[in-house]
Amino acid sequence: EPEVTQTPSHQVTQMGQEVILRCVPISNHLYFYWYRQILGQKVEFLVSFYNNEISEKSEIFDDQFSVERPDGSNFTLKIRSTKLEDSAMYFCASSRDRGGNQPQHFGDGTRLSIL
Amino acid sequence: QQQVKQSPQSLIVQKGGISIINCAYENTAFDYFPWYQQFPGKGPALLIAIRPDVSEKKEGRFTISFNKSAKQFSLHIMDSQPGDSATYFCAAETSGSRLTFGEGTQLTVNP
Repeated sequence: EPEVTQTPSHQVTQMGQEVILRCVPISNHLYFYWYRQILGQKVEFLVSFYNNEISEKSEIFDDQFSVERPDGSNFTLKIRSTKLEDSAMYFCASSRDRGGNQPQHFGDGTRLSIL
Repeated sequence: QQQVKQSPQSLIVQKGGISIINCAYENTAFDYFPWYQQFPGKGPALLIAIRPDVSEKKEGRFTISFNKSAKQFSLHIMDSQPGDSATYFCAAETSGSRLTFGEGTQLTVNP
């Protein structure tokens, strides 16, 4: 069964540094998402992306964050000038279409640790 | 109004028992309600989902009950097994927009 793959599985970064989290969505999917999960808390939406542009973003997704689909397979989340509170699991998801007919499939996440 | 409230936070059930997890929402624009199962070190995996025009959906041992007037929905796991031990999240979506997740329920099924 096709999967969403994320790399790296664990990223350790010094506070203030930039980090790029990478995702390879399922190949025939058109909608891409980033979510985060702070330890012990619920999963929170960050951003959705379709047709090479952001379609929706949450209040968490400020100027510190950016997303990009640099080629036909990868989808990246860049976090500039990282802060301690950015430490979390970051999940990428993809769907073939929007709405309940085509559910979002999640990767296994990248654990980001900011020191 | 965008929140989805989930209870209980944790649940311990004996093997063979019924596990019940409840969720409530406020936003009547939500039109899709999935449940996700998450094992340690893994991402959320879609378990079962329902639309508000249906009051119940069953897939194997998993059933969603949906009460539109009360704005509540629940997951029932029949004949619970130790392999069902995981964290369960309810979620809600508006017309293909973001998923809004509940706080999660850590289910432990004792052998």
